[in-house]
Amino acid sequence: KNEVEQSPQNLTAQEGEFITINCSYSVGISALHWLQQHPGGGIVSLFMLSSGKKKHGRLIATINIQEKHSSLHITASHPRDSAVYICAPETSGSRLTFGEGTQLTVNP
Amino acid sequence: NAGVTQTPKFRVLKTGQSMTLLCAQDMNHEYMYWYRQDPGMGLRLIHYSVGEGTTAKGEVPDGYNVSRLKKQNFLLGLESAAPSQTSVYFCASSYRLVQYFGPGTRLTVT
Repeated sequence: KNEVEQSPQNLTAQEGEFITINCSYSVGISALHWLQQHPGGGIVSLFMLSSGKKKHGRLIATINIQEKHSSLHITASHPRDSAVYICAPETSGSRLTFGEGTQLTVNP
Repeated sequence: NAGVTQTPKFRVLKTGQSMTLLCAQDMNHEYMYWYRQDPGMGLRLIHYSVGEGTTAKGEVPDGYNVSRLKKQNFLLGLESAAPSQTSVYFCASSYRLVQYFGPGTRLTVT
């Protein structure tokens, strides 16, 4: 069993829909990161959180440490949100363990 | 600032050849990392460094060596390339737990 499980693996939505991507992990963590990988391959960090909830624009990330679960929400989705979203729990020493990613496609 | 840069962007090697991938960052970050990304798998850590002159093994270090002689540079070496090392390689540096990624190097070993 992978240490990090993301669901769904693939997600297709219509523009404007509310999107949720889930991440469950089995390792002990100090924080959890959400990353976005663009169609061209570039990777950017979206959030780093260790408790509760964070919001940046239309993106919201939540984490429940006791349940070892995190979610990434996108409100009012747009075609430019199409990308791979990666969950990455952080273990000791600033090391990340990566999920396989969720491929999101938002159609106009 | 250029952020994190990687050289080269693409490379094709024959089995047994050697090469060095260069990662450079101009943000004065202490931590640097080398990852590989393969289809159907998440990013996997090859080696990392917590500061100039220090390196440590990650999850998949076999077949790779690294050096961090200068704080801004982190080199990944393949001494004798194998087809199993065909992958996309990403370098990253981190500050206050946020990782900044380079654009990647696509390596094919034939």
